Amino acid sequence: KQEVTQIPAALSVPEGENLVLNCSFTDSAIYNLQWFRQDPGKGLTSLLLIQSSQREQTSGRLNASLDKSSGRSTLYIAASQPGDSATYLCAVLNTDKLIFGTGTRLQVFP
Amino acid sequence: GAVVSQHPSWVICKSGTSVKIECRSLDFQATTMFWYRQFPKQSLMLMATSNEGSKATYEQGVEKDKFLINHASLTLSTLTVTSAHPEDSSFYICSAGLAGGFYEQYFGPGTRLTVT
Repeated sequence: KQEVTQIPAALSVPEGENLVLNCSFTDSAIYNLQWFRQDPGKGLTSLLLIQSSQREQTSGRLNASLDKSSGRSTLYIAASQPGDSATYLCAVLNTDKLIFGTGTRLQVFP
Repeated sequence: GAVVSQHPSWVICKSGTSVKIECRSLDFQATTMFWYRQFPKQSLMLMATSNEGSKATYEQGVEKDKFLINHASLTLSTLTVTSAHPEDSSFYICSAGLAGGFYEQYFGPGTRLTVT
């Protein structure tokens, strides 16, 4: 059974810092991995999707990497801003289901 | 493109009543839609997968007679919580998949259900 874990569970940093959020999964047979952002009481915003054949994806200040063999992905946020404060979820696609991680609650203070 | 809407965005109902939540794909046809539930400070858990014109597939532990799912068209799926109880209070999120269904899912904004 696929299990997805995210570390740390919560993170509080001053504005401007570069951040690394971690995601690990137990079954490497995935189709893709996706990173989402969720603001309190809101739905999901897709940030980056990495296909199983890819190593990384970049969008603006965000960079996500995937090491399928070791069951790990990292989300790198450069020059963090207060507007980045949210919960970040990773999810892996196994057969026909998205399995979500436990999430990292990020707070960036001015 | 690939916008998914949900209605209502929040609902309060009394214990024992039923409530229906709609999920619509606004600018694409979704052969497959998914329903998730999220309790406070927890991650999303898949409840069921629905394909247009066929019965939904429920995840283990999800009561299909309590959570009725109908996917009557390529743009609309509904989730009805029957005889709701306070423990059903949660955030319900739907998603819809493009061609093939599950390779990339587009998520709705969620519905907050509170049962009093």
